[in-house]
Amino acid sequence: NAGVTQTPKFQVLKTGQSMTLQCAQDMNHEYMSWYRQDPGMGLRLIHYSVGAGITDQGEVPNGYNVSRSTTEDFPLRLLSAAPSQTSVYFCASSLKGAYNEQFFGPGTRLTVL
Amino acid sequence: GDSVTQMEGPVTLSEEAFLTINCTYTATGYPSLFWYVQYPGEGLQLLLKATKADDKGSNKGFEATYRKETTSFHLEKGSVQVSDSAVYFCALGTDSWGKLQFGAGTQVVVTP
Repeated sequence: NAGVTQTPKFQVLKTGQSMTLQCAQDMNHEYMSWYRQDPGMGLRLIHYSVGAGITDQGEVPNGYNVSRSTTEDFPLRLLSAAPSQTSVYFCASSLKGAYNEQFFGPGTRLTVL
Repeated sequence: GDSVTQMEGPVTLSEEAFLTINCTYTATGYPSLFWYVQYPGEGLQLLLKATKADDKGSNKGFEATYRKETTSFHLEKGSVQVSDSAVYFCALGTDSWGKLQFGAGTQVVVTP
């Protein structure tokens, strides 16, 4: 049982490049989400999904796209990277419900030059 | 909207000292409350939770009580260890699916 996995662990992009951050979970969780972590700002929700084929925007969605074609995978796409997207990105998953534990991946540290 | 406010860090303590991290929230309805911990270089992991008023969550010597009257969920540990050095996040969940609202995080540094 691998839990939540994320790749890559580190990435450096140039402004304007695009890339996809991968996230997968093997716990059959309905709910998956992407957060970004910036100093002094905690974690901010980018996008989330409540099941295959269903996604919605979070607090800071601009510049990011998501899709969810399977229960297991929830990739995050940066369409045209900007320096403001330099951050640490975390994927998380959980069973449905406000009281359930969210399981986090190890994170991807992204630098945009 | 919903929000979480927690005390700023870093909090620096000596080993065996008492730790308190304050957390207050604003929410409509009846949120669930969580403390997550992030060790250096890792993702977040659940430390403890409480799902209704007056519930006490506890784990690894840490405790927090859900106080509806003061809208607070303060984290406490009676005797910290160097291994407790980490960033601690208070979070609330009001969404039926599981969306969380996080505080800014409090870094705790415990010295020998």
